Order: sequence, then C-alpha cells, then structure tokens
Amino acid sequence: ETGVTQTPRHLVMGMTNKKSLKCEQHLGHNAMYWYKQSAKKPLELMFVYNFKEQTENNSVPSRFSPECPNSSHLFLHLHTLQPEDSALYLCASSQTSGQTYEQYFGPGTRLTVT
Amino acid sequence: SQELEQSPQSLIVQEGKNLTINCTSSKTLYGLYWYKQKYGEGLIFLMMLQKGGEEKSHEKITAKLDEKKQQSSLHITASQPSHAGIYLCGAYTGNQFYFGTGTSLTVIP
Repeated sequence: ETGVTQTPRHLVMGMTNKKSLKCEQHLGHNAMYWYKQSAKKPLELMFVYNFKEQTENNSVPSRFSPECPNSSHLFLHLHTLQPEDSALYLCASSQTSGQTYEQYFGPGTRLTVT
Repeated sequence: SQELEQSPQSLIVQEGKNLTINCTSSKTLYGLYWYKQKYGEGLIFLMMLQKGGEEKSHEKITAKLDEKKQQSSLHITASQPSHAGIYLCGAYTGNQFYFGTGTSLTVIP
C-alpha cells in the first residue's frame, strides 16, 4: 500500500535538535491527520487538517508544529523534544474529516529522542 | 477512563482456532471502524460499520455492531499466522475520533 507515505521511517534526535517529519498522500483526499502511538497507550490524535485548514489540535505541546501546505502534504516540525516524545508517529488521510470516511494510514516514523 | 475499551488485551491462539475481539464504548457510537496493525507499522483499514445490527465480512473476518450495547465484535474464523498483529477499533463519539486500547493477537502455527 503506497497511498500514504511517510519519511523518514526512523529518526533519532537529541533534545536540542530541530527536525521535520513528512507525510504525502496520493489518494486525492482532503483531510490529513497526525497521530502519536506510545507503548501501551491508545493512539492519540494530535492534529487534523481539512482542506489545508487546521481543525483540531488536541492540546499538543508547542514543541510540535504542524504544517499543511496543500491537501497532499503534511509536515510535523519538531524542536526541543523530550525523551517522553519518543514514539511512533503516524500520518493518515481521509476523503474529508467526518464520521463517514475511513482513514488510510502511512507506515509511520519511529522517533527516538535521546 | 478510555472512551473505547477492547478485550482481551492480548490473545494467543493455535492456528485454525476461532477467536473474538470486543470493543466497548462508554458513549453512543456513530460508526465503528476496525483496523489491523503489524508491529511498528501503519494501520490497515479492515471494515466500517455504521448501523446498529450491521454485520460485515472480509475473507475470514466478520465484524458486528450492536449499538444498544455500544459494542462491536470482530470474529476470526480458522485463524492463520497472517492474522497476527494488533487489532484496533476506532469510532466517532460526538465530534471526536478515538481509537481503542488495542488487542494483540498471536497465532501459533
């Protein structure tokens, strides 16, 4: 499945680094999402973009900064992260945000903060 | 408290056995999604249920939605090693989408 791609697949960064995660969808969808998956915790929704507009921010710390330049691309800019931010970060897309459309997920970026 | 609770948390079955995973909501369900995740990878959409009493099947996987009980079940018939992974339910409760706590399935050949 290559509908939603994420790069890099693995990332190790120090707490003072600045890095970005990239997500691209080739499905013609209009909504994109960032999720965080930590060990032994449910998937946590971080941000939602619908038609390039941010529609949801689930109290995510400001050290995570999303950017959606168009409906096909979504970025997550990272700076001064903490070790507890180490997790699998998943991107997803759907036709639009809402109750009737399933989300398609990318393979994730495994982030380790040292 | 979790919006969506899954049970069991983990499951180990012998190949060929049937199994059931449950997803229970603390709120009214407006559609229920089932996903499968291989360890450390993205989620694969399995099926979506929207109406109470609805039942859908894909290959050897059947899911049902019981709105009155605010519950959905996922049943796998004659399990195979390829069924191994983490099964996640997801649902909109109001305007927010939540994922369940996940069920880890191991199938022993």
